[in-house]
Amino acid sequence: DAGVIQSPRHEVTEMGQEVTLRCKPISGHDYLFWYRQTMMRGLELLIYFNNNVPIDDSGMPEDRFSAKMPNASFSTLKIQPSEPRDSAVYFCASSLRQVSGYTFGSGTRLTVV
Amino acid sequence: DQQVKQNSPSLSVQEGRISILNCDYTNSMFDYFLWYKKYPAEGPTFLISISSIKDKNEDGRFTVFLNKSAKHLSLHIVPSQPGDSAVYFCAMNYGGSQGNLIFGKGTKLSVKP
Repeated sequence: DAGVIQSPRHEVTEMGQEVTLRCKPISGHDYLFWYRQTMMRGLELLIYFNNNVPIDDSGMPEDRFSAKMPNASFSTLKIQPSEPRDSAVYFCASSLRQVSGYTFGSGTRLTVV
Repeated sequence: DQQVKQNSPSLSVQEGRISILNCDYTNSMFDYFLWYKKYPAEGPTFLISISSIKDKNEDGRFTVFLNKSAKHLSLHIVPSQPGDSAVYFCAMNYGGSQGNLIFGKGTKLSVKP
């Protein structure tokens, strides 16, 4: 298995633009997580899905952030409009059971200028 | 309010010696504990875990210790190798059908040859 695949690896965008991050989880995994890593806050959970259904989105910072999982093999995290404070590394992770070790993707480094 | 704290942002150890990474938590409901390792430009990778019914778990050079009364988790690496140089995150969960992994901010380990 190729692991969790995220795209793009790097994204530089101007403030106010829409940004879409993509994730392909490991086949067969039924949990999918979106995390954000910053120096100040470390790794923080934004949202997670179970069987494509959003379970907890309490970590989504604002209405500017939205996430979807239209099928078991694809998820998106969208920021509209983007702001400089959204600059961070965004990780997607998947797992078979919620309390098992997660498998992380390599992350998307987002820079909003 | 940080539920999971890694108070040492960095640690430097000589090759062949023991590395001890520490993690403190505040929520006594946590019952599953993990360590992740992260290299630059990669996602975190699962290293070792322990459930609250145990106080020690070993996997090769890596041993995790859990002191529930002190709410303290530690990771021992013996002997340390230069390839162990990475950022180490502790993470924990209180299981069941709710909850998700909560991460510490990480400790950067440097193992010098």
